[in-house]
Amino acid sequence: NAGVTQTPKFQVLKTGQSMTLQCAQDMNHEYMSWYRQDPGMGLRLIHYSVGAGITDQGEVPNGYNVSRSTTEDFPLRLLSAAPSQTSVYFCASSYSDVWANVLTFGAGSRLTVL
Amino acid sequence: QKEVEQDPGPLSVPEGAIVSLNCTYSNSAFQYFMWYRQYSRKGPELLMYTYSSGNKEDGRFTAQVDKSSKYISLFIRDSQPSDSATYLCAMSGQTSYDKVIFGPGTSLSVIP
Repeated sequence: NAGVTQTPKFQVLKTGQSMTLQCAQDMNHEYMSWYRQDPGMGLRLIHYSVGAGITDQGEVPNGYNVSRSTTEDFPLRLLSAAPSQTSVYFCASSYSDVWANVLTFGAGSRLTVL
Repeated sequence: QKEVEQDPGPLSVPEGAIVSLNCTYSNSAFQYFMWYRQYSRKGPELLMYTYSSGNKEDGRFTAQVDKSSKYISLFIRDSQPSDSATYLCAMSGQTSYDKVIFGPGTSLSVIP
């Protein structure tokens, strides 16, 4: 039981490049989400999904795209990287009932955009 | 005004001390209150979870919620060096599907 697995752990991009952060969970959780963590800002919700085929925007969705084709996977795409997207990205999942807001986090993906 | 405010610290205490961590919030719709602990370069992990007002105790940890003051606290008794981490308060609204809003976190160091 691996929990929530994120890849890559580290990535350096140039401005304008695109990339995909991968997130997979093996707990059969229906709810999955992406957060970014910046100093002094806490965790901010980018996008979330309540099940396969269903996604919605969070607080800071601009510049990011998601899809949910399976229960297990929830990739986050950066369409055209900008220095403002330099951050640590966390994927999180939870059961989609009473405990939907009790999140299990991955270890994070540290992204630098030059 | 941010929805959730938290003193970022850093907070440094001697081993064995009682630690008090606090958050204030502005949205009266919040019903679920959580504390997450985050070790350096790791993902946050759930520490405590409460619904509505009141206290909850788990070992050396006690969570308090005062909805009338929009104020939540986490107390750590007999603090240990292994408690050194960043503590994030988090809260969400009327249903468990509501998005979870995090405070910026308080960095705690427990000195042996």
